[in-house]
Amino acid sequence: NAGVMQNPRHLVRRRGQEARLRCSPMKGHSHVYWYRQLPEEGLKFMVYLQKENIIDESGMPKERFSAEFPKEGPSILRIQQVVRGDSAAYFCASSPRFGSGETQYFGPGTRLLVL
Amino acid sequence: DAKTTQPNSMESNEEEPVHLPCNHSTISGTDYIHWYRQLPSQGPEYVIHGLTSNVNNRMASLAIAEDRKSSTLILHRATLRDAAVYYCILPDLNYGGSQGNLIFGKGTKLSVKP
Repeated sequence: NAGVMQNPRHLVRRRGQEARLRCSPMKGHSHVYWYRQLPEEGLKFMVYLQKENIIDESGMPKERFSAEFPKEGPSILRIQQVVRGDSAAYFCASSPRFGSGETQYFGPGTRLLVL
Repeated sequence: DAKTTQPNSMESNEEEPVHLPCNHSTISGTDYIHWYRQLPSQGPEYVIHGLTSNVNNRMASLAIAEDRKSSTLILHRATLRDAAVYYCILPDLNYGGSQGNLIFGKGTKLSVKP
């Protein structure tokens, strides 16, 4: 069973461009979580999605950021008009169910660098 | 904010046991205690989790205090590959109205000396 896959692993964008980060959850997992890790800091929750639904986006910046998890295909985290402060590692995790006792399995991350 | 308290760093010698403590004095009756670790330049990796009873798996053991206000992750024989940041986490059941979001604190940076 393949683990959580993220691509690209590294992404370089200039200020004002768009960044699209992809996450394919583990097989059989319908719950996807996105986290952001700024340099030298811990991971911060951004958004939690189930297939075709955003369940909790309370950790997502109000502007420029959006996420989706379509019926078919990977989950996408989209950042419009990137700024230098968006430079970070973005991790996706998946789980088969949600709840306090559920384990989240993380991908290797996408490292975004905004020039 | 993280609901757990961990030492910033710890050191261990290779082949020796390591006990990583965590305080979670505000834990509720239904909170599971999760441990993840993050090796340099990698994504977090699940280590172990438990509710009330001590737990063992091939990676580690989790000792949970009787009052559940603290727990200890035990690596029985540390190797150089165990050098990582270890996070003790209580998923936030009420965060944004959903369940299970992991709240990462700063964790404990474990160094292993050969």
